[in-house]
Amino acid sequence: AQKVTQAQTEISVVEKEDVTLDCVYETRDTTYYLFWYKQPPSGELVFLIRRNSFDEQNEISGRYSWNFQKSTSSFNFTITASQVVDSAVYFCALSEARRYGNKLVFGAGTILRVKS
Amino acid sequence: GAVVSQHPSWVICKSGTSVKIECRSLDFQATTMFWYRQFPKQSLMLMATSNEGSKATYEQGVEKDKFLINHASLTLSTLTVTSAHPEDSSFYICSAKLAGVIHEQYFGPGTRLTVT
Repeated sequence: AQKVTQAQTEISVVEKEDVTLDCVYETRDTTYYLFWYKQPPSGELVFLIRRNSFDEQNEISGRYSWNFQKSTSSFNFTITASQVVDSAVYFCALSEARRYGNKLVFGAGTILRVKS
Repeated sequence: GAVVSQHPSWVICKSGTSVKIECRSLDFQATTMFWYRQFPKQSLMLMATSNEGSKATYEQGVEKDKFLINHASLTLSTLTVTSAHPEDSSFYICSAKLAGVIHEQYFGPGTRLTVT
């Protein structure tokens, strides 16, 4: 079965600190996609990244970076020099096409609080 | 591009009444739409998958007679909560999948339902 674990329920940092949000997934499929979404207090989900199972290259986008390691089934997300506007709930999600028709399974989410 | 709207953004209804939530893909055709429910401080849980012109597929534990889903066109899906009760109060989010594009879902802004 698909499963996504975000063990960190809540993280608090001070502005300008770096912070890493952990995501561990379980799947029996060889073809799958991993996602990160941000949910600010307004509630609307903001798409951050999609990564397919065949692309293990790390990605950097501005202050955001992602580390995908199939060997440990992890897809961790790092925010460098955090800002107050980064405060939100962050969800990691997994999608398997063949078994589950593109359904997204979300982790429990990590609340990130960035204090000024 | 790829904008999904939901209407209403929030609604308050009395226990026992029904409420309809609309999900529209504004600038693309969506053969598949998904409905999620998010209780406070919890993750998104998939309720059902809606395919244009056919019956929705409900996840285990979701009452299909209570949560009526209609996907009558390639740009509109509706979720009707029938005989609503206070425990149905939640944040309902829809997403739409571009026709022919796998693993790409665009999320609506969500509808906050409060049943009094």
